[in-house]
Amino acid sequence: DQQVKQNSPSLSVQEGRISILNCDYTNSMFDYFLWYKKYPAEGPTFLISISSIKDKNEDGRFTVFLNKSAKHLSLHIVPSQPGDSAVYFCAASALNRDDKIIFGKGTRLHILP
Amino acid sequence: DTGVSQDPRHKITKRGQNVTFRCDPISEHNRLYWYRQTLGQGPEFLTYFQNEAQLEKSRLLSDRFSAERPKGSFSTLEIQRTEQGDSAMYLCASSLSPYEQYFGPGTRLTVT
Repeated sequence: DQQVKQNSPSLSVQEGRISILNCDYTNSMFDYFLWYKKYPAEGPTFLISISSIKDKNEDGRFTVFLNKSAKHLSLHIVPSQPGDSAVYFCAASALNRDDKIIFGKGTRLHILP
Repeated sequence: DTGVSQDPRHKITKRGQNVTFRCDPISEHNRLYWYRQTLGQGPEFLTYFQNEAQLEKSRLLSDRFSAERPKGSFSTLEIQRTEQGDSAMYLCASSLSPYEQYFGPGTRLTVT
């Protein structure tokens, strides 16, 4: 049973446009959400996070939106740059219970020139 | 300190052999995690240490798997009697708080 779902295995976006990566979750105990970025042959690197008490968190070109009622979050990257081409993992944690992070399967983002 | 390091980066072994991987976390981090990632999947939690204490183990961690973190510093993950299904990327992460985990480059295990 997948608790964190990324239904788009891949996404292609023109350079300079907005990239929107989506994520759904099923466990209502999750209270902290993260996005990780992964290049080939490297481990995932932390990108941005959001607590369940917020609905938006922004860091430079990256913004994460959380809709708790829909159990949905999204990562917006604007403007998209060639170096953004990578696999993006959505992840969630129930910090009030344990330190475990549950990852989605990832979305491969291709930024087109 | 440049980050989490893992050794070896690649390991090819024959079915039935034992393998051991090492993870060196960021020095001031007291939390250390092991994950396994297979093709097309996200990292899956295996086990977690806070200092030297192993606090949680996933049901994915069969009795052939054992992890240690002596003295709360580096950690080792041993797989005994490897099977082809053990082929995966084994990732280590460390953190100071539960909020952000910093990952190493991983050890890719191939069991032939």
